[in-house]
Amino acid sequence: DVKVTQSSRYLVKRTGEKVFLECVQDMDHENMFWYRQDPGLGLRLIYFSYDVKMKEKGDIPEGYSVSREKKERFSLILESASTNQTSMYLCASSHGGGANYGYTFGSGTRLTVV
Amino acid sequence: AQSVTQLGSHVSVSEGALVLLRCNYSSSVPPYLFWYVQYPNQGLQLLLKYTTGATLVKGINGFEAEFKKSETSFHLTKPSAHMSDAAEYFCAVSALNTNAGKSTFGDGTTLTVKP
Repeated sequence: DVKVTQSSRYLVKRTGEKVFLECVQDMDHENMFWYRQDPGLGLRLIYFSYDVKMKEKGDIPEGYSVSREKKERFSLILESASTNQTSMYLCASSHGGGANYGYTFGSGTRLTVV
Repeated sequence: AQSVTQLGSHVSVSEGALVLLRCNYSSSVPPYLFWYVQYPNQGLQLLLKYTTGATLVKGINGFEAEFKKSETSFHLTKPSAHMSDAAEYFCAVSALNTNAGKSTFGDGTTLTVKP
């Protein structure tokens, strides 16, 4: 079964810490995405990547960075965590052949910043 | 640019009743449309998608959706709700010219199923 795996289901971090959220997919997908999900706001795109070492900003990139050194792994970095970054973070991947494939999502990481 | 509007953030139905979740889209080019389901504390799972061809598409768990270009709609239906259908549902739109196949999601509709 194809999978997108997020390293942590629940994470608690302190304000000001540097936080790494890891995502790995085993489907050889070219595209990978990081979203955050907040009640009433749906899914908001933070960053995405369409190839190794390639990345583009989404709708809310401020306070975040990403890294994609290998095709299967896409990391989200909170440079200095703040309480307003408490959220559910969802990683997704998709086939590079076209926009018609849809996404495969990971199970999410619920991050709490205290 | 694409956008999606899901009408109704909460929908409640009785078990056995029809489920209707509404989605309207905006796209300057022919869209690809998706419905995803999210169970509590899980990621999203693809329910069904419309890309080209037949406008009535069937998905998993007995759900289906109809693409209506004239109404810019892609509503999700199920003839008879089960308790296990209680979840949050997201409509999403993408298009052929979208960078990296990026999708835009609606705000979600929470479906409650009453016994």
